[in-house]
Amino acid sequence: DQQVKQNSPSLSVQEGRISILNCDYTNSMFDYFLWYKKYPAEGPTFLISISSIKDKNEDGRFTVFLNKSAKHLSLHIVPSQPGDSAVYFCAATQNTDKLIFGTGTRLQVFP
Amino acid sequence: DARVTQTPRHKVTEMGQEVTMRCQPILGHNTVFWYRQTMMQGLELLAYFRNRAPLDDSGMPKDRFSAEMPDATLATLKIQPSEPRDSAVYFCASGSTDNQQFGDGTRLSIL
Repeated sequence: DQQVKQNSPSLSVQEGRISILNCDYTNSMFDYFLWYKKYPAEGPTFLISISSIKDKNEDGRFTVFLNKSAKHLSLHIVPSQPGDSAVYFCAATQNTDKLIFGTGTRLQVFP
Repeated sequence: DARVTQTPRHKVTEMGQEVTMRCQPILGHNTVFWYRQTMMQGLELLAYFRNRAPLDDSGMPKDRFSAEMPDATLATLKIQPSEPRDSAVYFCASGSTDNQQFGDGTRLSIL
């Protein structure tokens, strides 16, 4: 049973526009959410996170939004750049136990 | 910068052979995680250790997989006997649950 779901396997966005990556979860006990970015042949790297007590966290071009009632979070990248082309994983945890990852969304930013 | 080191980076072997993957966590990190990346499941947690003791290996097929930490500088993941369905990229990560740093993975192909 997939507790964290990323229903869009891929997304293609023009450079300069907004990229929106979505993530849904089923466990209402999750209290911390993270996004990781992964380039080919490399391990995932931490991008941004949000606690369940917040509904928004911003870091430069990256903003994560959390909607607890809908059990949904999204990652906004504005403006998108070609270097943002990567696979993005959403992850969730409860009481800083293990991370549960989604299946990932491949973002391609084209000129 | 300190990094998690995984060896080998690539492994191709025949079905039935034993496979051993190694991980050197970042010095001072007392928690080590093993993940498997597949297209269908994304990043699956196989097992994790804290202070070298196994905390959770529920994601690991017990009949053929084993994970150990012989010492604080080495974690191993073994598959015996290997099967074609084990083909995937295996990642090791170290650090706290909400601040994991990943190695670059071992790409395993079982023929």
